[in-house]
Amino acid sequence: EADIYQTPRYLVIGTGKKITLECSQTMGHDKMYWYQQDPGMELHLIHYSYGVNSTEKGDLSSESTVSRIRTEHFPLTLESARPSHTSQYLCASSGERNEQYFGPGTRLTVT
Amino acid sequence: AQSVTQPDIHITVSEGASLELRCNYSYGATPYLFWYVQSPGQGLQLLLKYFSGDTLVQGIKGFEAEFKRSQSSFNLRKPSVHWSDAAEYFCAVGAQQAGTALIFGKGTTLSVSS
Repeated sequence: EADIYQTPRYLVIGTGKKITLECSQTMGHDKMYWYQQDPGMELHLIHYSYGVNSTEKGDLSSESTVSRIRTEHFPLTLESARPSHTSQYLCASSGERNEQYFGPGTRLTVT
Repeated sequence: AQSVTQPDIHITVSEGASLELRCNYSYGATPYLFWYVQSPGQGLQLLLKYFSGDTLVQGIKGFEAEFKRSQSSFNLRKPSVHWSDAAEYFCAVGAQQAGTALIFGKGTTLSVSS
């Protein structure tokens, strides 16, 4: 079944640690996205990719980085986590039209 | 400026009653319009989408939405709400070009009373 997977689902980590949030999809989509979601707020795009070796920053400034070495895989990395990074991170993908399908999210808490 | 407004932060509806969630948007070009639902601790699930054509679109779980260009609105409706519909609902607007960000509203939390 075509789907989008994110791991871990929940992560509590100390300040200064390096973390990687995993996202993979079996949708066959070229385009992938990372959004940040805080309670009561809109989702904001932080990174996107048109395909392999393509990555772009989104509207919301983020200290994270992404890579796209394989079509199905779009990991997000924080080199040094801070409490301000505490949030929910949602990965999505889309086909030729802009309907975006989301993974279950990773809820990150930095202590 | 491009934006999506969901005027109602929280709505409570009795089970079996009808539901309408409001969404207004501001967008320069002809947009694609979406409604998503999010249950606690979950990602967003696409309920329905409008690209073109018939302005009344049907989605999953018995939801429908009507696009009204003159009012820049895309309201979500359901004739009879079930307790399992309690969740957060997001309206989103996007360009007709894939690879661009969707612009989301802040969401409406739906509670269902018995």
